[in-house]
Amino acid sequence: LAKTTQPISMDSYEGQEVNITCSHNNIATNDYITWYQQFPSQGPRFIIQGYKTKVTNEVASLFIPADRKSSTLSLPRVSLSDTAVYYCLVGGHGSSNTGKLIFGQGTTLQVKP
Amino acid sequence: ETGVTQTPRHLVMGMTNKKSLKCEQHLGHNAMYWYKQSAKKPLELMFVYSLEERVENNSVPSRFSPECPNSSHLFLHLHTLQPEDSALYLCASSQDTGVVSPLEQYFGPGTRLTVT
Repeated sequence: LAKTTQPISMDSYEGQEVNITCSHNNIATNDYITWYQQFPSQGPRFIIQGYKTKVTNEVASLFIPADRKSSTLSLPRVSLSDTAVYYCLVGGHGSSNTGKLIFGQGTTLQVKP
Repeated sequence: ETGVTQTPRHLVMGMTNKKSLKCEQHLGHNAMYWYKQSAKKPLELMFVYSLEERVENNSVPSRFSPECPNSSHLFLHLHTLQPEDSALYLCASSQDTGVVSPLEQYFGPGTRLTVT
């Protein structure tokens, strides 16, 4: 499974756009890129997923360049409640077509007033 | 509320006790997972069940014993645990499409386990 590298921490202010970049040089052809958000003492929450180019939903946008060796999660106009740990995951399906999520350290985003 | 519930939310047990964690999903999914999250460590995948069959056992010690009686319920039976097993245990579920898994998993709130 492809390993991911992302910054340990980031700071931002309310109302700003935040971009978190993740490197995944060994991404395989069948791999998808998925981002999760986790608040303290809670389970991670799915944010967005993509395979290539750009994906946008009501929460975030995901930009994936043509070589797919990196991806950028974009959070528009963050608020204090966006303070959390953000995980970038890359993977496909296992031997029985079941997704296997390998979590790294994640990026701790601190949003300040 | 993600549609995945876990009980108990907190558990304190001695090293000689036997206890079980319960997970239930109300999403109609066909795959369920156990994860362990220790302090300041990444989440670790422990077990994967797809269609009630265990398809992944990530080198987990035998003092952790999973059980999946049906696609909606998942248990983690615990016995003779060690203090280093203290962690947040998370359950998740997903819909295995059978073609390419979208890796969209829904997590429960977790059980905070303390082994004394």
